[in-house]
Amino acid sequence: AQKITQTQPGMFVQEKEAVTLDCTYDTSDQSYGLFWYKQPSSGEMIFLIYQGSYDEQNATEGRYSLNFQKARKSANLVISASQLGDSAMYFCAMRETNQAGTALIFGKGTTLSVSS
Amino acid sequence: ETGVTQTPRHLVMGMTNKKSLKCEQHLGHNAMYWYKQSAKKPLELMFVYNFKEQTENNSVPSRFSPECPNSSHLFLHLHTLQPEDSALYLCASSQDGGEFQPQHFGDGTRLSIL
Repeated sequence: AQKITQTQPGMFVQEKEAVTLDCTYDTSDQSYGLFWYKQPSSGEMIFLIYQGSYDEQNATEGRYSLNFQKARKSANLVISASQLGDSAMYFCAMRETNQAGTALIFGKGTTLSVSS
Repeated sequence: ETGVTQTPRHLVMGMTNKKSLKCEQHLGHNAMYWYKQSAKKPLELMFVYNFKEQTENNSVPSRFSPECPNSSHLFLHLHTLQPEDSALYLCASSQDGGEFQPQHFGDGTRLSIL
């Protein structure tokens, strides 16, 4: 079974609009971390935002916010006031423990296209 | 700012060649990772090193051989690769053991096997 599910292969939005990228996860651990990364066409993976499973407040980082609904096991990324430079692939990822050397589990990604 | 540096950025090689990918992190992290990203697939973990010790080998074929001489450097040695090994290879590092920390990635090496 997939641990991270991103159901939107592609999303289209106009500049200055908000967009929500969906992510659901599956884990039986009580302590885990959720991350969002952006990957432009050039290939680098850019860390955007983090949410810990015990964090009561939704994480925010500039125009990025994470809509964390623990009971539903969802961690959607909200980008406010989209910009052309936001066009990229977006990956949701989870880390089930913080033991040294534990890798991230990634979803398949969502391609976001922002138009003027 | 490039905390994780990968070289080369692009590599084209024949199936009988031997080459190495290099990764260097300038962040003082204690764990380093190799991931493979093929077209239309999620990132796949290949190897994990923690304090220079390999802690995970995710069923990677022996034609990929990692080396971690110290906590700042990570290599991926390539030998007799197959066309299906063409992909983007990403190196990452993180500081593990306390609160959850993000992994920081390099720009990747885009590998093409002829």
